[in-house]
Amino acid sequence: AQSVTQPDIHITVSEGASLELRCNYSYGATPYLFWYVQSPGQGLQLLLKYFSGDTLVQGIKGFEAEFKRSQSSFNLRKPSVHWSDAAEYFCAFTGTSYGKLTFGQGTILTVHP
Amino acid sequence: GAGVSQSPSNKVTEKGKDVELRCDPISGHTALYWYRQSLGQGLEFLIYFQGNSAPDKSGLPSDRFSAERTGGSVSTLTIQRTQQEDSAVYLCASSSGTVNYGYTFGSGTRLTVV
Repeated sequence: AQSVTQPDIHITVSEGASLELRCNYSYGATPYLFWYVQSPGQGLQLLLKYFSGDTLVQGIKGFEAEFKRSQSSFNLRKPSVHWSDAAEYFCAFTGTSYGKLTFGQGTILTVHP
Repeated sequence: GAGVSQSPSNKVTEKGKDVELRCDPISGHTALYWYRQSLGQGLEFLIYFQGNSAPDKSGLPSDRFSAERTGGSVSTLTIQRTQQEDSAVYLCASSSGTVNYGYTFGSGTRLTVV
């Protein structure tokens, strides 16, 4: 079955610390992969996306993600977290260029001062 | 418009009533999607429109849910005989049809069934 798994429901980090949010997918071919962020009461904002080519993708707000085919993973990273990064993060994928997105369950990020 | 617009932003309705949720996609976007976000269920796909093709309705949870897209632009999601379990945030997204540009989401409609 096609699916996305975010193993961590809730992560807490201190401001200035590094961050890695995990995402694993199950799909028979190379998927199109996305990371979205959702602040309370807001819609989803696209952080970055991967289609092909360079496996390290840069996004907005200082985030990056690395596609690892051998591990079926697309983990999101940030070297130094800011208090404003506190939000819920969703990994998603689709198998076609305009197909429906399948989302992970989300990871809530709390940032301690 | 500049973004995906959804209305109303909040809707409180009585159990058993019908509701209509509206989505106005980005001009020129050929693909439009509806998702539902509820506690414990994450983001669930509901329905997807692409151009003039028949919509993909595979995510609609029951026959009380329906959606239409008029003129390839505005879409309306209708829930008939609402139940308390329909309470959720309903999100709409649109896409230019090429994944390079990603999917743009609206701010959602929060539906509360009392």
